[in-house]
Amino acid sequence: DAMVIQNPRYQVTQFGKPVTLSCSQTLNHNVMYWYQQKSSQAPKLLFHYYDKDFNNEADTPDNFQSRRPNTSFCFLDIRSPGLGDAAMYLCATSWDRSAKNIQYFGAGTRLSVL
Amino acid sequence: QQQVKQSPQSLIVQKGGISIINCAYENTAFDYFPWYQQFPGKGPALLIAIRPDVSEKKEGRFTISFNKSAKQFSLHIMDSQPGDSATYFCAASTQGGKLIFGQGTELSVKP
Repeated sequence: DAMVIQNPRYQVTQFGKPVTLSCSQTLNHNVMYWYQQKSSQAPKLLFHYYDKDFNNEADTPDNFQSRRPNTSFCFLDIRSPGLGDAAMYLCATSWDRSAKNIQYFGAGTRLSVL
Repeated sequence: QQQVKQSPQSLIVQKGGISIINCAYENTAFDYFPWYQQFPGKGPALLIAIRPDVSEKKEGRFTISFNKSAKQFSLHIMDSQPGDSATYFCAASTQGGKLIFGQGTELSVKP
C-alpha cells in the first residue's frame, strides 16, 4: 500500500500559469519534504515542514511556495512556472529530523512546462 | 563542504557479477550514510544505510563499506541481477536530518 501519495503523476502547465502539486501520507510522520529532481540529477531539497514549522532552503527560488494544512497533506505551489522548472517533484516524509530517520518518498509528479 | 561525490556515473555489469559504486564526502559532521535505489518513474527507496562508527554493513547481496579516515564509502552488489538495474544514490545526513545526495549511478545488469 502506498504510504506517500503524490497527485497528479503527470502535470502539464503553461509558462507562467500557476500550478499546485499535492502530497499525502498515511504514516503520520512529522516531517514532509519537497525535492526537485531534474533529468539524470540527484534530488535537490526545496523545503520541508517539521509539523507546522516551515523551513526553506537558502537557494530555493521565491517562485516556489508550500502549504501544509494538516499532518497528512502538503502542497507545492509554483507561482509562475518557467521552462527551467520542468522536472520531477518528489515528496518525502520522515518521523523526525534526526540523521537516522528514514525518508520515505512518493512516486513523484513529473511537471512539463509548455 | 556539503557535497557528496559519487562515481561512476554509469555502470554496466554482467549478470552474476559484482557492482561497485563509490562515494566521497568532506563534511565530518555527516553522521549517517544511506543508499537509495530509484527505478524509472518511481521515487527513491532506502536500500541500506550505515553509521560512521561501523566499517561494514551487509544486507543480503548488498554491502556498504565505510572508511571514516578516508571519508569514503561504497556499495557492493554481489551476484548482480537484471532486476537490480536502477539508479543508485548515495547520501549523507546531518543531525538535522537533511539528506545530501550524490550525483547518482545508473546501473545496468546485462543478462
